[in-house]
Amino acid sequence: EPEVTQTPSHQVTQMGQEVILRCVPISNHLYFYWYRQILGQKVEFLVSFYNNEISEKSEIFDDQFSVERPDGSNFTLKIRSTKLEDSAMYFCASSARLAGVTDTQYFGPGTRLTVL
Amino acid sequence: QKEVEQDPGPLSVPEGAIVSLNCTYSNSAFQYFMWYRQYSRKGPELLMYTYSSGNKEDGRFTAQVDKSSKYISLFIRDSQPSDSATYLCAMPNAGGTSYGKLTFGQGTILTVHP
Repeated sequence: EPEVTQTPSHQVTQMGQEVILRCVPISNHLYFYWYRQILGQKVEFLVSFYNNEISEKSEIFDDQFSVERPDGSNFTLKIRSTKLEDSAMYFCASSARLAGVTDTQYFGPGTRLTVL
Repeated sequence: QKEVEQDPGPLSVPEGAIVSLNCTYSNSAFQYFMWYRQYSRKGPELLMYTYSSGNKEDGRFTAQVDKSSKYISLFIRDSQPSDSATYLCAMPNAGGTSYGKLTFGQGTILTVHP
């Protein structure tokens, strides 16, 4: 069964450093998403991406964040200068069609980001 | 008022019990209602989605929506230890320029003990 994969599973970084979280969405999917979940809190939407551009972003997704689809298979989230409050589990998701109606967003297992 | 509220539990039940999980929401624009299940160290996976008010059944799972009260429920019959997970309600944006964004509840931690 196709699945979304994410690497690394755990990333530890120093405050102020740049990190890149990587995702490989399901191969025929066209819509890509990043969510995050701070420990003990809700899963929160960060950004959606389609046709090589951002479709929507939340207020969390400020100038420190960027997303890219550098090739036909990867989808990345970059945090330019990490803060302590960026420590969270980051989930990538993808869908074949524009989820929000009846299509399904498939989630990866997440990358745990720890900022020291 | 938070858009989606869900009692985080935790909820602990014996095997075979009927489990009731609930969410309330405030945004009348939500039209679709989803339940995700999240096992430890995994991403959320879609369990069920519903659109209209009423019940939808899938095996041991029943999703119920009451749009007039802005209240949704997930019932699990004959619960099994393998049902132990966090259950998240989620509502997708489906209007205007905002599609695809899922708004999640807090998640309810469920443990079914043998």
